[in-house]
Amino acid sequence: GAGVSQSPSNKVTEKGKDVELRCDPISGHTALYWYRQSLGQGLEFLIYFQGNSAPDKSGLPSDRFSAERTGGSVSTLTIQRTQQEDSAVYLCASSPTGTSSEQYFGPGTRLTVT
Amino acid sequence: QQQVKQSPQSLIVQKGGISIINCAYENTAFDYFPWYQQFPGKGPALLIAIRPDVSEKKEGRFTISFNKSAKQFSLHIMDSQPGDSATYFCAASTRGSQGNLIFGKGTKLSVKP
Repeated sequence: GAGVSQSPSNKVTEKGKDVELRCDPISGHTALYWYRQSLGQGLEFLIYFQGNSAPDKSGLPSDRFSAERTGGSVSTLTIQRTQQEDSAVYLCASSPTGTSSEQYFGPGTRLTVT
Repeated sequence: QQQVKQSPQSLIVQKGGISIINCAYENTAFDYFPWYQQFPGKGPALLIAIRPDVSEKKEGRFTISFNKSAKQFSLHIMDSQPGDSATYFCAASTRGSQGNLIFGKGTKLSVKP
């Protein structure tokens, strides 16, 4: 079956512009996660959705970051007024139920802020 | 505060050798410990995972060893192949939480032919 897909695969934007990153999870997976991977670093948790609700937004690095999920499926991560330190690979993962179960990652969106 | 510590940062192994990557954790509430493999330009792929009720899990050439009392777990890759060259991440999550994974910083493995 189809895996997690993300778009765009690469995004170059100018400092100060807004960007939207999209994630299509595996069909039927109720849990969706966003992580950020900076160069040479591990993966940093950003936000978690169970269905359409996001009970934990504590991982978002600043109020410039927001995310939504509609219809229990597609999710969008929005970064407003991008800064150079936002440059990273943004990874989306989905899981059948959340709560200590397998997470399957998409290929990521590489964001470069110039 | 780094909750999952992974070592070594990089590892070079000859083809046919055994690759060993270690992780240590602090939070005793962790109850799920996966390993992910990541190739350049790709997302992490789930390799193998273990829960604390067993001390070892084997899938093909990949084995997780788990030591609950020491709060450590490790990945062993037997008969390492050049195609195993990738970055490996250990992770942990907690039952009853939303399941977000806490990752180690990764180990870059190079298997020399």
